[in-house]
Amino acid sequence: DVKVTQSSRYLVKRTGEKVFLECVQDMDHENMFWYRQDPGLGLRLIYFSYDVKMKEKGDIPEGYSVSREKKERFSLILESASTNQTSMYLCASSLLFAGLRSSYNEQFFGPGTRLTVL
Amino acid sequence: GENVEQHPSTLSVQEGDSAVIKCTYSDSASNYFPWYKQELGKRPQLIIDIRSNVGEKKDQRIAVTLNKTAKHFSLHITETQPEDSAVYFCAASSPGTYKYIFGTGTRLKVLA
Repeated sequence: DVKVTQSSRYLVKRTGEKVFLECVQDMDHENMFWYRQDPGLGLRLIYFSYDVKMKEKGDIPEGYSVSREKKERFSLILESASTNQTSMYLCASSLLFAGLRSSYNEQFFGPGTRLTVL
Repeated sequence: GENVEQHPSTLSVQEGDSAVIKCTYSDSASNYFPWYKQELGKRPQLIIDIRSNVGEKKDQRIAVTLNKTAKHFSLHITETQPEDSAVYFCAASSPGTYKYIFGTGTRLKVLA
């Protein structure tokens, strides 16, 4: 069973704080993703990574950065948290090439971190 | 940029009735279309997917249809049950990219 875990389910931070959200997957997946989920807006991609130390911007990267020093771990960093970054953050992972082993590039999600910035 | 529109945003059906959720995508190169179900407080999970070389796929009570010409695809749930109540997301993905473009979600309520 694929397991994607996130460091916290709930987090409360103050405006201006530096925030780290951690994601770990145990299935040797090459791809990892960070999304934020807001009512009525669906899942929006912040950043993704297809290899260690590689990263690409998604649709809403402003105010965020990421780090991938090890294959299994992908961190999302809010350099200076703001109230408009209050949201649910979801991490996901997938194989680079699924082939016949699974649904084509299926993304497996973590449980999410609900971040509140006061 | 690439976009996926999803309708309706909320849907209420009586238990036993059918539910249909529709999505339209903008990138004609998209070739993979997964559907995710997110129950309250849980993570999104893949329930069914379809590739562009197939027009329809069924798995028990759920089915997905794809119309490449019109660039739209739909999720059909028959004989709905209370446990089908959740938020459903469609997505589209294109060759050479690992990214999904998600729709905005449909909250399905199955009334007992």
